Amino acid sequence: KNEVEQSPQNLTAQEGEFITINCSYSVGISALHWLQQHPGGGIVSLFMLSSGKKKHGRLIATINIQEKHSSLHITASHPRDSAVYICAVGGNQFYFGTGTSLTVIP
Amino acid sequence: DTGVSQDPRHKITKRGQNVTFRCDPISEHNRLYWYRQTLGQGPEFLTYFQNEAQLEKSRLLSDRFSAERPKGSFSTLEIQRTEQGDSAMYLCASSPSGFEGYTFGSGTRLTVV
Repeated sequence: KNEVEQSPQNLTAQEGEFITINCSYSVGISALHWLQQHPGGGIVSLFMLSSGKKKHGRLIATINIQEKHSSLHITASHPRDSAVYICAVGGNQFYFGTGTSLTVIP
Repeated sequence: DTGVSQDPRHKITKRGQNVTFRCDPISEHNRLYWYRQTLGQGPEFLTYFQNEAQLEKSRLLSDRFSAERPKGSFSTLEIQRTEQGDSAMYLCASSPSGFEGYTFGSGTRLTVV
């Protein structure tokens, strides 16, 4: 059983579409990260959440602590958003989802 | 220093050889973490340091693996007698004592042939 489940595993969208990636977790956490990983590249932290909602440009992340669920939204998606998006939860150590591979087609 | 630096970026080694990776965290970050990521999977926790103290180790960290952070600054991860199953991306991350500012390095990709 994985501590962190993400859905969908793969997602293809047309440029301009609104995208949602979901993350559910089963462990108690102090924080949740949304991470972005480009092919062959390193990992970039997009958001760290412990409650509520955060917005950065076209990206919005929400978390519901009671339901142990978080969502990452991308508005007006663009081909440069194509990447793997990973949810990570934890405290002293983090548990990672297997990622959602997003492809945005022009 | 604008981020977490890992060296080397890529390493190809023959099975049975020893390899060592280095991670330089953001200078004011107390915590340093090592993760391993295999193809198609999310990163898995290996170990973490609070300053120079190694506080937690995953069961994934077999006795062939050792990590150090002798002065509480940079850290090294050594793998002895490498096996093909060790081929992975090894990621380092650092953070201040809390969780804001948790930053990943670009990783070291190890290929054991």
